[in-house]
This record gives sequence, C-alpha cells and structure tokens, in this order.
Amino acid sequence: SAVISQKPSRDICQRGTSLTIQCQVDSQVTMMFWYRQQPGQSLTLIATANQGSEATYESGFVIDKFPISRPNLTFSTLTVSNMSPEDSSIYLCSVTRGQGSETQYFGPGTRLLVL
Amino acid sequence: GENVEQHPSTLSVQEGDSAVIKCTYSDSASNYFPWYKQELGKRPQLIIDIRSNVGEKKDQRIAVTLNKTAKHFSLHITETQPEDSAVYFCAASPGRGYQKVTFGTGTKLQVIP
Repeated sequence: SAVISQKPSRDICQRGTSLTIQCQVDSQVTMMFWYRQQPGQSLTLIATANQGSEATYESGFVIDKFPISRPNLTFSTLTVSNMSPEDSSIYLCSVTRGQGSETQYFGPGTRLLVL
Repeated sequence: GENVEQHPSTLSVQEGDSAVIKCTYSDSASNYFPWYKQELGKRPQLIIDIRSNVGEKKDQRIAVTLNKTAKHFSLHITETQPEDSAVYFCAASPGRGYQKVTFGTGTKLQVIP
C-alpha cells in the first residue's frame, strides 16, 4: 500500500470562494485520481491527475470548476472553484502503484462544507 | 461506459450469521473487481479483489465469487462480527493498465450483537 495524506482534513467555506486540497504520497505512484463522495453516496470519479499535463476529466466535471495539478509523481492538488452549497462533499484522492496495477488506495479525504 | 449495480442497499444480520452482497456490471471488458469497506468517517479500504480468470477467492471470513457469463459478482462474509459493520462498495474496472474504476452504490451492513 502507500501512505497518503490530504490537507486540509476538513474546512468550512463561504459560497463563491475557492479551496485547494492537497494530496501527498510517501513514494512514487503511477496514477492519481480525485473522487467526490456526497453524503451517504458512492464514490464518483472527478478526474485522473496526469503528471506534467492536463488532467483527464469525467463527464460532468470541468477544468474551470475543478482545476487539478500534478507537478510530480507524489503530489497533486484539486481546487474547488466558486463554491456553492452543492459542493459540500468529501473529496478523496487515490493512487495506484506499479505499472499496470489496478488496485487503488485512498487518502483520508477532505470534508468540505460550503455555507 | 461501465455501470455497476449493487444490492441490497442496507443489510442487517445477527452476529455470527453470514452476509451476502451482490453486484452486477454492464461492460463485458471489465476484468478486475475490487471490494472496499468504508467505516463511518474513514477512507475506503480494499478488503478483497478478484480478476476475471478466477471464479472464487477467499481470505479468512471473506470470499468473493465471480460469474463472468452472467456479469455478476458477490461478497460473502461468514461469522459476522460487530466490527464488520460498515458500508461496502463493489467496483469494476477493465484492468490491463486502464485503471479507471466504477463503483457500485454501496451496501450499509449492520451486524447486531
């Protein structure tokens, strides 16, 4: 497995503002993903964070709303922009290790409440 | 794209009984099927996974079965304990280096002491 940390662990934000969430892994990983988990719901993939290039977004998610960076193999950020109460959710990063490995390991999540 | 359905959404069992959670998937190209357990306020954690070249896999009290023809797979927990209480998610992925995983809707398992 991998040791994955996220910052912040939780936050309360005002609508219209933006929040950047960081995901740090203890060693190099192959793939990094960002998920959203709304209260009582399943995990929905927002995007795949690609090192040194633009992230690959899933249907329903756009770069202007969720800009993502991945400057190296161990670090990624997700920004939730121009927030509204509907963005209140848990945001999780996940990683895979090893070429061709399918197993995803999750970070502890960032619990976001937008007022 | 892939669609994963999961049943039941909630499940209550007496301690010591067995619990079964079932999932179906739509994409015949899927060949990797992980199961995650998420305790309240915690991250999802992988508990077992199975690949399409295997019909069944067991790890202590947990087993997973896969029927590729019918496109369904199941999680079996025997001798349930209160600490098994959590939300369980099944998932499916094409694997082979394409690592996007589609999750089921989750099953909230309650084990009653």
